[in-house]
Amino acid sequence: AQSVTQPDIHITVSEGASLELRCNYSYGATPYLFWYVQSPGQGLQLLLKYFSGDTLVQGIKGFEAEFKRSQSSFNLRKPSVHWSDAAEYFCAVGGGLTGGGNKLTFGTGTQLKVEL
Amino acid sequence: GAGVSQSPRYKVAKRGQDVALRCDPISGHVSLFWYQQALGQGPEFLTYFQNEAQLDKSGLPSDRFFAERPEGSVSTLKIQRTQQEDSAVYLCASSLDRGNGEAFFGQGTRLTVV
Repeated sequence: AQSVTQPDIHITVSEGASLELRCNYSYGATPYLFWYVQSPGQGLQLLLKYFSGDTLVQGIKGFEAEFKRSQSSFNLRKPSVHWSDAAEYFCAVGGGLTGGGNKLTFGTGTQLKVEL
Repeated sequence: GAGVSQSPRYKVAKRGQDVALRCDPISGHVSLFWYQQALGQGPEFLTYFQNEAQLDKSGLPSDRFFAERPEGSVSTLKIQRTQQEDSAVYLCASSLDRGNGEAFFGQGTRLTVV
């Protein structure tokens, strides 16, 4: 069965500092990988996704993620964090005979706090 | 509307009561998913529709949970005889194609069972 581990429950960074959120996955085939952001009271917004090809993926809001098959990781990065980035971030792996890449298994999330 | 719409946004139910949660996907979207998000957890897959066909209901936690999408657009998630452990945010998502396009999520329905 597929699974996702986000080892950091909470992370605090200063505005302007760099950010890396960790994600490790377990999946038996080539995974579809996603990062979503959730602000309070809001639905999930897709930041970026990896299906195939270039292992460095660019997303919205200046985020990027790198797929490393050897480490089963898909870490999210941003070079300079803005206060508006404070939110909860979810890594997800997708796949399945039905639902395709969008039948998602999510990690437990990382809560990001940004200090001004 | 432009996005996925869910109603009601909040629902308080007494234990044992039946509830119905509605999802209006983006017009023309083929795929529709329901997820359950418990407090402090990531969303968990409940069920998947391709048009009106429910192709996967492997995530439904018990036979008290039932979902339908009779005309291939609006979907309803029904929970019978609600229990306290059913308290969660129920998220609906839709995607244009049969599974690999971007899934757009609604804001969710927060269900509290008292």
